[in-house]
Amino acid sequence: GAVVSQHPSRVICKSGTSVKIECRSLDFQATTMFWYRQFPKQSLMLMATSNEGSKATYEQGVEKDKFLINHASLTLSTLTVTSAHPEDSSFYICSASWTGIETQYFGPGTRLLVL
Amino acid sequence: SQQGEEDPQALSIQEGENATMNCSYKTSINNLQWYRQNSGRGLVHLILIRSNEREKHSGRLRVTLDTSKKSSSLLITASRAADTASYFCATDGDSSYKLIFGSGTRLLVRP
Repeated sequence: GAVVSQHPSRVICKSGTSVKIECRSLDFQATTMFWYRQFPKQSLMLMATSNEGSKATYEQGVEKDKFLINHASLTLSTLTVTSAHPEDSSFYICSASWTGIETQYFGPGTRLLVL
Repeated sequence: SQQGEEDPQALSIQEGENATMNCSYKTSINNLQWYRQNSGRGLVHLILIRSNEREKHSGRLRVTLDTSKKSSSLLITASRAADTASYFCATDGDSSYKLIFGSGTRLLVRP
C-alpha cells in the first residue's frame, strides 16, 4: 500500500516553456503533499508543502511564481515549472502523507532537462 | 536548509560485511527517520525512531539515537549487493509533518 506515482518520469523541454509534473497517491488519500528538488549526488531540498484545497507553503528562497503548485484533490498535486531555464534542470520528487502519520511516501521522481 | 550531515559521504564494503552510517542534526526533534534511495529513483522509508527511544531494530537494520549528542546511526548487518543505494536520515522540522534531510551516505556493496 501507500503507492505514489509521478508523471512524466523524464521530460526534456526548451528554455522558456512551462512543464507540468503530476504526483498521484494511488491507494490512499493524501491530505498533504510535498515537493522536493534534488541535484546530482546531493540531498533532497524541500520546495513546498501543499494541503488539499489550500495554497502551498513555500520554503525560503523558492519562487512561488516560478514553481506553481496545485493540490486540487486528495490524490493529485501538480508542480508547474513556468518559463523553465537550464538552471531549473534537476530531479523533482514528490511525496505524500496523511494526517496523523510522520512517514512520507515518495514518488519515483521526474528528471527535468531544460535545453 | 539541510538539518545536518551524514558521515561517511560514501562507503564501499564487501558483501556480508556490516555497514554503519551516522547522522548528526542541529535542532530538537520529535523523531528521526531513515530512508533509502536507489539511483535515480524515489525514496523508500526504512525506519522511524522517536526522540524517547534509544534503539530500534527492523530485520537487518539497527538504528540508534542519542538526543544528547544530536546524532543517530544506521547499521545494516550482513550486507547484500542489493543494499547498494544512498541512505538519508530525516528529522521533523518546524512542523510535525515536514522532513529535513541529511546529506546522505552512498553505500556500495561489492559482490
